[in-house]
Amino acid sequence: GQNIDQPTEMTATEGAIVQINCTYQTSGFNGLFWYQQHAGEAPTFLSYNVLDGLEEKGRFSSFLSRSKGYSYLLLKELQMKDSASYLCAVREQGGKLIFGQGTELSVKP
Amino acid sequence: GAVVSQHPSRVICKSGTSVKIECRSLDFQATTMFWYRQFPKKSLMLMATSNEGSKATYEQGVEKDKFLINHASLTLSTLTVTSAHPEDSSFYICSATDRSLNYGYTFGSGTRLTVV
Repeated sequence: GQNIDQPTEMTATEGAIVQINCTYQTSGFNGLFWYQQHAGEAPTFLSYNVLDGLEEKGRFSSFLSRSKGYSYLLLKELQMKDSASYLCAVREQGGKLIFGQGTELSVKP
Repeated sequence: GAVVSQHPSRVICKSGTSVKIECRSLDFQATTMFWYRQFPKKSLMLMATSNEGSKATYEQGVEKDKFLINHASLTLSTLTVTSAHPEDSSFYICSATDRSLNYGYTFGSGTRLTVV
């Protein structure tokens, strides 16, 4: 079956670093995506990992360990505008993109 | 970049009526379209996958006779919610992919459906 787990909520302080974890068990694996979503809007692409290791893109980094079924999204130098929902999604064989329940991040001053 | 135009953005309809939601790929050919629904403070739940010219494949628990999906061309896919009920009220969003996008995903802007 499919199971993608991430924390429901997290709170962090402006300027700090936050790590959002995601564990997955899916029928086949063909890459892992992280998206940012504000309420009532479409998800915005943040990162994509298909091989083990760290992908860095500005203030955002994403890590993948396929053997552990584990990924994390690292956000540095947090800004108030980073308050949003962060979605972990796994692409299965055949192209289906399955989402975790999302992590609601609140950035406080 | 690749754009998917989704309409309408908001719709209110009466119970028992049908509502059609359209997703158009504006500058690429969407060989595959995914349809999701999202409840407040919840994640995106995949409803169905449609490939151009083929019947949609529905996820377990999704009524195919209630949520009609058409993908007759490479640039247009539609979702029709038939005989809508208040429990169908939700945020519906489409996502397209194609080899031209290196099989990345482009999302529509979503449709907020309210059934009264």
